[in-house]
Amino acid sequence: DVKVTQSSRYLVKRTGEKVFLECVQDMDHENMFWYRQDPGLGLRLIYFSYDVKMKEKGDIPEGYSVSREKKERFSLILESASTNQTSMYLCASSPQGTGANVLTFGAGSRLTVL
Amino acid sequence: GQNIDQPTEMTATEGAIVQINCTYQTSGFNGLFWYQQHAGEAPTFLSYNVLDGLEEKGRFSSFLSRSKGYSYLLLKELQMKDSASYLCAVSPNAGNNRKLIWGLGTSLGVNP
Repeated sequence: DVKVTQSSRYLVKRTGEKVFLECVQDMDHENMFWYRQDPGLGLRLIYFSYDVKMKEKGDIPEGYSVSREKKERFSLILESASTNQTSMYLCASSPQGTGANVLTFGAGSRLTVL
Repeated sequence: GQNIDQPTEMTATEGAIVQINCTYQTSGFNGLFWYQQHAGEAPTFLSYNVLDGLEEKGRFSSFLSRSKGYSYLLLKELQMKDSASYLCAVSPNAGNNRKLIWGLGTSLGVNP
């Protein structure tokens, strides 16, 4: 019954490494999102996409990039991981139209950068 | 700026009723959303208000007053499983803008 799947639940990486976080949804949703969640800072939007190959910056895009080559898949890339990118990363999807802000989240990927 | 305020923590007793308030100041308004997040899990959608008034969904209800920039989530017949963080979020824009403004969440503890 899992609808939004994130590839890794826990990752540990070294500073400077390239990190890929993968997200797949099976609900045929047009919109996909990457958030990070930190204590005291709440949910912050990194990037979102409303169509294949389309992307828009969220509130904190610096240090991240994204890729959406297929409708069901949205990848988050950390080109050179830094310790301040240690966080919980949440992928979400939603349909177009009135349900666009009814997000279905994945289980999250907890990234630790050493 | 755009801001959402909600209490950081609340506690209540099993079987009781609890009201979690949310006030917002945003550039526009296209709907207010409540999500529930259990510890270590992802948020899940609870309710949505776009017009003033009360929306009821089983034990949970959500109220909106757009003129006051105010909403509350009402949880009745509290159960231990309702211990979670409750996130208030506002959509400030219609159209293709999908940027929700999120509150920091209210951590609700339910005691036996």
